[in-house]
Parts: sequence; structure tokens; C-alpha cells
Amino acid sequence: DVKVTQSSRYLVKRTGEKVFLECVQDMDHENMFWYRQDPGLGLRLIYFSYDVKMKEKGDIPEGYSVSREKKERFSLILESASTNQTSMYLCASTQRTGHSPLHFGNGTRLTVT
Amino acid sequence: GESVGLHLPTLSVQEGDNSIINCAYSNSASDYFIWYKQESGKGPQFIIDIRSNMDKRQGQRVTVLLNKTVKHLSLQIAATQPGDSAVYFCAENSGGSNYKLTFGKGTLLTVNP
Repeated sequence: DVKVTQSSRYLVKRTGEKVFLECVQDMDHENMFWYRQDPGLGLRLIYFSYDVKMKEKGDIPEGYSVSREKKERFSLILESASTNQTSMYLCASTQRTGHSPLHFGNGTRLTVT
Repeated sequence: GESVGLHLPTLSVQEGDNSIINCAYSNSASDYFIWYKQESGKGPQFIIDIRSNMDKRQGQRVTVLLNKTVKHLSLQIAATQPGDSAVYFCAENSGGSNYKLTFGKGTLLTVNP
């Protein structure tokens, strides 16, 4: 089975802090994604990466950046956390070729106070 | 903009009944669709997918039906069990690739014993 592991289940940070969310997948997938999930808004794509050191903006990239130095690891960075970034963050991965489903981690619940 | 929506936000069924969860999509160019199950505190879990060249696909106790004429997708769960209680949401490949998924908001399925 595909395993996507997010390093933290819960995080509490203060406004203005720099926050790192880490994600690792073990299936040698080329594509990796960061979503946030909010009640009533569903899943929204923040950034994705289709290869090492490659990244593309999703629908809501403002206030975020990403890093992909190794194929299995994709990090989401909140440069200066704000209260409106309180959310559930979900990492996902998928193989590049053909139509294939995204496999998600269990999420990181981030609270910014 | 293009979006994926659900007809019913909540669905309550008796254990053993069949469940049907519906989803409307608006992008006629979408060619790949996925159903996910999300239990409380967990990330979305892949259930079943279907490509636009098919109108039906079956898995273990689940069937997905695709009606391209009316742009409608449904998930049927046979002999619903308490463990099926979760939020279910659909996703469409609206960007023509497997990383531009648009997600529906979700339907909460509650199975009563």
C-alpha cells in the first residue's frame, strides 16, 4: 500500500512564526501535492511538484512556499503564519503516468494563534 | 468557474441498506473521476475511480456510475455497514491531467445500526 506520512498531526503556532510541514511518500511517486481543507470550502490546492526541485502554484499559493529536494519528500512552508492559515493541511502523491488517484496522508491540523 | 458539487450534503441510512451518493460535475472535458472516503481525523482514502470512456465500474461493495450526458457521477455502496460512516466526496480531472483535480464539498453518510 502507498504510504504518505505527514510529520505532525497537530501543530499550534503563533502569528508571524515560520512553519514547516513535512511530508514523505514511500512509493517513488513523481507528483506530490499540498492541499488545505476547510469546512464548506473543500480541498484547495496550494502547490504541487512533478519532479525534484520542480514546483507549480495551485489555486491558493499566497503566503506559502514549498521545497522538494528529494523525490520522496515535499515540504510546505508558511513564511509568516497568520490566523487565516489555521486549517487542515493534506499532503498527497501520485505517479505521473496515466490517470491515477491521489493518495493522501492523514493531515496536519494547524492552529495559528 | 468549473466546479464539482453534490446534490445531498447528508445521507442517513440503516445498516444493511444500499447507499447512493451523487455528484454533479460541470466540466464536460473532464475525463477521469475519483471517489474518496474521509473518516473523522483521517485523510481522504481512495475508493474507486472511473475514466470517461466507461459508464460503470465495480469494486468490492461499491459501484461508480458515470452519466456523461447529464454530467452526473454516483457512488453506490451495497449492504452499508457502520464502518462506512464517513464523508464521501468526488473529484474530477478538470485540467486534463492527473494533478488538476477539482473536489466536491462532500456528503456525510451516517449508518444507523
